[in-house]
Amino acid sequence: DIQMTQSPSSLSASIGDRVTITCRTSQNINTYLNWYQQKPGKAPQLLIYGASSLQSGVPSRFSGSGFGTHFTLTISSLQPEDFATYFCQQSSGALTFGPGTKVDIK
Amino acid sequence: QITLEESGPTLVKPTQTLTLTCTFSGFSLSTSGVGVGWVRQPPGKAPEWLGVIYWDDDKRYSPSLKRRLTITKDTSKNQVVLKMTDMDPVDTAKYYCVHKGFNGWEFDYWGQGTLVTVSS
Repeated sequence: DIQMTQSPSSLSASIGDRVTITCRTSQNINTYLNWYQQKPGKAPQLLIYGASSLQSGVPSRFSGSGFGTHFTLTISSLQPEDFATYFCQQSSGALTFGPGTKVDIK
Repeated sequence: QITLEESGPTLVKPTQTLTLTCTFSGFSLSTSGVGVGWVRQPPGKAPEWLGVIYWDDDKRYSPSLKRRLTITKDTSKNQVVLKMTDMDPVDTAKYYCVHKGFNGWEFDYWGQGTLVTVSS
């Protein structure tokens, strides 16, 4: 199985901050990496697919990059509605999700 | 507009079989390339993919849960059914029905989820 890690596990940030979340995989997964946002009590929402493609309707302040085993999700200017938990998900082998990164208010 | 809605029991006993139904709208499971799947999420933990069924009745399951899972579809009713046998308290989770996107293995639409508790 492909193992996934995310860092940090949580972070505190202020409105307007640039935020970067990292996802690493135990094997090369090319660009088979997706990112989701989840707010409390809600279903996850797709943000980025294929490591860097922005899902329709998602604000352009979200961006993704990476290849192989190292990926990042960047929020260029954090907005109040962005406080949530973020999960990466790989689709190279049996699908797995990362453990999540919680972004809260500083 | 694509919507998915899960229905089924909120409480099952250990060793019982869980049956959940996903009723969807806004697309047809008879259209080439379409897939509907299931993802679960234990409280406070990461999501876990369970399986997916395609328009042509092809199915893919999580290797770790494959022996316990069956996913079927009723295209005329716009429904997908998940059966999971031999339920255990560790299977307590919110179960989501998901629409598989066309760019790879991303899930672009999710139901609101249904919380299933396994307890005697």
